[in-house]
Amino acid sequence: DIQLTQSPSFLSASVGDRVTITCRASQGISSYLAWYQQKPGKAPKLLIYAASTLQSGVPSRFSGSGSGTEFTLTISSLQPEDFATYYCQQYNSYPRSFGQGTKVEIK
Amino acid sequence: ELQLVESGGGLVQPGGSLRLSCAASGFTFTRNSMTWVRQAPGKGLEWVATVNQDGSNKYYLDSVKGRFTVSRDNSKNSLYLQMSSLRAEDSAVYYCGRDRYGSCDYWGQGTLVTVSS
Repeated sequence: DIQLTQSPSFLSASVGDRVTITCRASQGISSYLAWYQQKPGKAPKLLIYAASTLQSGVPSRFSGSGSGTEFTLTISSLQPEDFATYYCQQYNSYPRSFGQGTKVEIK
Repeated sequence: ELQLVESGGGLVQPGGSLRLSCAASGFTFTRNSMTWVRQAPGKGLEWVATVNQDGSNKYYLDSVKGRFTVSRDNSKNSLYLQMSSLRAEDSAVYYCGRDRYGSCDYWGQGTLVTVSS
């Protein structure tokens, strides 16, 4: 089974900051990686799929990169509505798996 | 408007059974695989099961194999998760998601399952 490890698990940042979250896979997954945003009490929202493709309607300040075993989600300029928990997910093989999450809080 | 609406959650005793439903609308249901994901209170997301477009292929998390069954009724635009031999660790909000080549691009609001005596 493929394990995903996100770092950091917790991040404190200010509005306007550039934020980067890393997701490492225990084995190569090509570009079969998605990123989601989740706010308390809400369903997850797809941000990026295929490692770097922005989902329709998602602001361009979000970007994704990477392939193989190392991936990043970058928020170029953090906005108040971006404070949330972010998860990566691999769909290279079954069982699919998620990272443990990265909580982004206001500094 | 695309919608996914889960139902069927509730309180069940350990060892009991429950059937979750997910009603889909606003898209051609037969074009997409469908997925169940759960989230225990205060914890992260956990993929549970996926069924392909015609229901012929099903995939499960190891810890639910033999206890959970995912199915779909394309004539009713509905997805199901039959859960049996429930354990305390199955307590979670269960979400259904429309599968888009492996990621979920639309999600329901979730239904809460609590396994407790």
